[in-house]
Parts: sequence; structure tokens; C-alpha cells
Amino acid sequence: QSVLTQPPSVSGAPGQTVTISCTGSSSNIGAGSDVHWYQQLPETAPKNLIYGNSNRPSGVPDRFSGSKSGTSASLAITGLQAEDEADYYCQSYDSSLGVVFGGGTKLTVL
Amino acid sequence: QVQLVQSGAEVKKPGSSVKVSCKTSGGTFSTYAISWVRQAPGQGLEWMGGILPVFVTPKYAQKFQGRVTITADESTSTSYMEVTSLRSEDTAVYYCARGHDFWSALDNWGQGTQVTVSS
Repeated sequence: QSVLTQPPSVSGAPGQTVTISCTGSSSNIGAGSDVHWYQQLPETAPKNLIYGNSNRPSGVPDRFSGSKSGTSASLAITGLQAEDEADYYCQSYDSSLGVVFGGGTKLTVL
Repeated sequence: QVQLVQSGAEVKKPGSSVKVSCKTSGGTFSTYAISWVRQAPGQGLEWMGGILPVFVTPKYAQKFQGRVTITADESTSTSYMEVTSLRSEDTAVYYCARGHDFWSALDNWGQGTQVTVSS
């Protein structure tokens, strides 16, 4: 049971928009901790996709965007492409537990 | 360009220990936090703990307190993570990753080290 809750899976057709939610609590996201997002392709290390709730590292397409409100955060992917098929994880910091991750969401491009 | 390079795969017997290394190159070592994250087969990411070398004292997730030791050698820009009393459930890929501090994004990751615990 992960401290941050994500849907196990989402799917969408090429060109569509999908969103992945990440729900925390008053001891992590709700306490003001930033949310970061990672993309993990099969058999590879995770890659930082969004940092500080809504910022993209250099090289990440602007099709990826993040937002945060209250005790939740979301990752949106617009103009879905086949290469976006991957696992996505949110991460934050909990005042009691330290670094915490969501359980991960598998994105399928139909 | 910052690179984190980890030691190679390990096969261990239940009850034994394993020590994985993570060498940082191309960037500052002492003032960045190194986290250790593991991923069991088919499972998600799990933070084990980390260390900010300049402060020496590591932080651990409660689950791993007492069984995991994380250290940092500033002279070689290398962090180490040791797990004792290994059991089959510790079979996983172990990653090191770097962030500005423990609440920042992990913006550089090692390639991962497969640890297999089997009798």
C-alpha cells in the first residue's frame, strides 16, 4: 500500500490526452511538499519528467505537464504518442516517512 | 554531465549481506543527496533511505531501519548501500539516484543493480 495513490492503469489513443492522478495527505502533498513525476520505460531506470509540481527538465517535451492542488497532483500528457507507453510514478516528501512514491500507473497507448 | 555508475549484479544466499556501490562523476558529490530506491520484480519504486554526504548522517525509511546501512566516501565520490539478513523478498533492482536534497526531484539515476537472493 503506497503512501501516494495512483490509478494502476490508464489508456488512450494516439493524439488523445490522458491524465494521471496522485493523491496524498496532509503530511506530504497537503503539507506543501513538492510533487515530482518519473517515466520508466521497460528495463530502464526511471527518468525525471516533472519537478517541483509543474516544471519540465530540459529535453522533456511540452506535451507533458504537471499540476498540484490541495492533497493531490496530476500529470497530463497531450498528443499521446506510441513512445509514451511506460510506467509513471509520482513522488513527494512526507514529514514522517521521508521520500514517498506512488504505486505507479501503467500507460497503454491503444 | 553527471553520471551515477553502480556496481554489478549480485547473487546471494538467504541470511547473507550485499553491498552495492554508486560512483558519481561529472558533478559535485558532497552537497547533493543520494537516495537508494529499490524495485522488486513487477512492482513499484520503494525509497530505502539516503545520505547527504556533507552532513554524514543518513536517513532511512522505517521499514529498512536496522537492516540497511548507507554510507558515503567523499574521497571517491561513492555512496554504498548494504543490506544484511537477506531474504527472498529482497530480490530486486536497486537504484541510486541524486537530488539537491531529500525533498527535491531525483534528476540523475544509476543504471540499477540486480540483486537476487536464492538458496
